[in-house]
Amino acid sequence: EPEVTQTPSHQVTQMGQEVILRCVPISNHLYFYWYRQILGQKVEFLVSFYNNEISEKSEIFDDQFSVERPDGSNFTLKIRSTKLEDSAMYFCASSEALRGGFGANVLTFGAGSRLTVL
Amino acid sequence: AQSVTQLGSHVSVSEGALVLLRCNYSSSVPPYLFWYVQYPNQGLQLLLKYTSAATLVKGINGFEAEFKKSETSFHLTKPSAHMSDAAEYFCAVSRAGGYQKVTFGIGTKLQVIP
Repeated sequence: EPEVTQTPSHQVTQMGQEVILRCVPISNHLYFYWYRQILGQKVEFLVSFYNNEISEKSEIFDDQFSVERPDGSNFTLKIRSTKLEDSAMYFCASSEALRGGFGANVLTFGAGSRLTVL
Repeated sequence: AQSVTQLGSHVSVSEGALVLLRCNYSSSVPPYLFWYVQYPNQGLQLLLKYTSAATLVKGINGFEAEFKKSETSFHLTKPSAHMSDAAEYFCAVSRAGGYQKVTFGIGTKLQVIP
């Protein structure tokens, strides 16, 4: 069964360092997402990406964050200068095209990348 | 804006007992509702979804959920818990129709006691 893969599974970094989290979405999916979950809190939406541009982003997704699809397969989340409060599990997800644009947007998630900022 | 509230961050049931995980939603427009499950070291997987067809929705692994508009609820149930059901369960909501942002709840960890 097709799956979304994320690397690394766990990253520890120092405050102020740049981090890149990588994701390989399902190959025929068109929409890509990043969510995060701080320990004990909600799974929060960060950003959605379609047709090589951001389609929606949350208040959390400030100038410190960026996303990129550098080639036909990878989808990356970059945090330029990490803060302690960026420590969280980051989930990548993708969804397929909907016929006529209707129907439920079913997300397929990766296993997550745990980021620890010291 | 849409949101979901999951009542109970941890739920324990005995093996063979009824599983009931509660979710209430808030939405100004007709919602689509989802339950996802996360097993340890895995991503979130879709259990079931409500898209305004039948109000009682059946999912994988014997789970089902009922959409009750009057109560703004979408509780997840399973008649008899198995040890393999131990996982974290997330309720989620989106606007109906097309590519809409999916908003998740805080999750409920289900423990199954032998």
